Amino acid sequence: DTGVSQNPRHKITKRGQNVTFRCDPISEHNRLYWYRQTLGQGPEFLTYFQNEAQLEKSRLLSDRFSAERPKGSFSTLEIQRTEQGDSAMYLCASSVTGEGEQFFGPGTRLTVL
Amino acid sequence: GEDVEQSLFLSVREGDSSVINCTYTDSSSTYLYWYKQEPGAGLQLLTYIFSNMDMKQDQRLTVLLNKKDKHLSLRIADTQTGDSAIYFCAESIMDSNYQLIWGAGTKLIIKP
Repeated sequence: DTGVSQNPRHKITKRGQNVTFRCDPISEHNRLYWYRQTLGQGPEFLTYFQNEAQLEKSRLLSDRFSAERPKGSFSTLEIQRTEQGDSAMYLCASSVTGEGEQFFGPGTRLTVL
Repeated sequence: GEDVEQSLFLSVREGDSSVINCTYTDSSSTYLYWYKQEPGAGLQLLTYIFSNMDMKQDQRLTVLLNKKDKHLSLRIADTQTGDSAIYFCAESIMDSNYQLIWGAGTKLIIKP
């Protein structure tokens, strides 16, 4: 297994457009997390899944954000009607269990023009 | 609320030891982590310590935890240029389903 992968690595979009990111976790990992990181800050938690169930969403996650993990494997994060403030690095992580080490993907850098 | 704080920068000479400090507020932390992030790269877990431990050593890395003062430190012995990166402290809280709460990161600068 090569670890957590994310696609695309970079996305440039115009304000108002929708974007979708994909995360492929390590195959035997039940938990999948999404974080957002802006320059000079640590990651901020957005949401997480236990298998296919989305168990928690941060207050940071507005109605324009939606995440899915339909078969308990890969996950997608969609941002509708993007705003310039959405520009950030979107990180995905996975772990075997809740208390286990979280392994991070390389991230998707979103730039909203 | 939960909060994790770190100094933003640390500058050390090559070959010296680096000590990166972190304070946290939630006493129900289960695990405390140190992650490393190099430019353009993802977050790499360096080491972690369970909250009932005081110290953990792993090659050049030593983690010290003072649970009474809610203070965590990472010591890197014989600092090399390859250690240049941003180091993040994070706490995992069982009551919050093991969400990670992160510090803002400490940029380690190595002087020749």
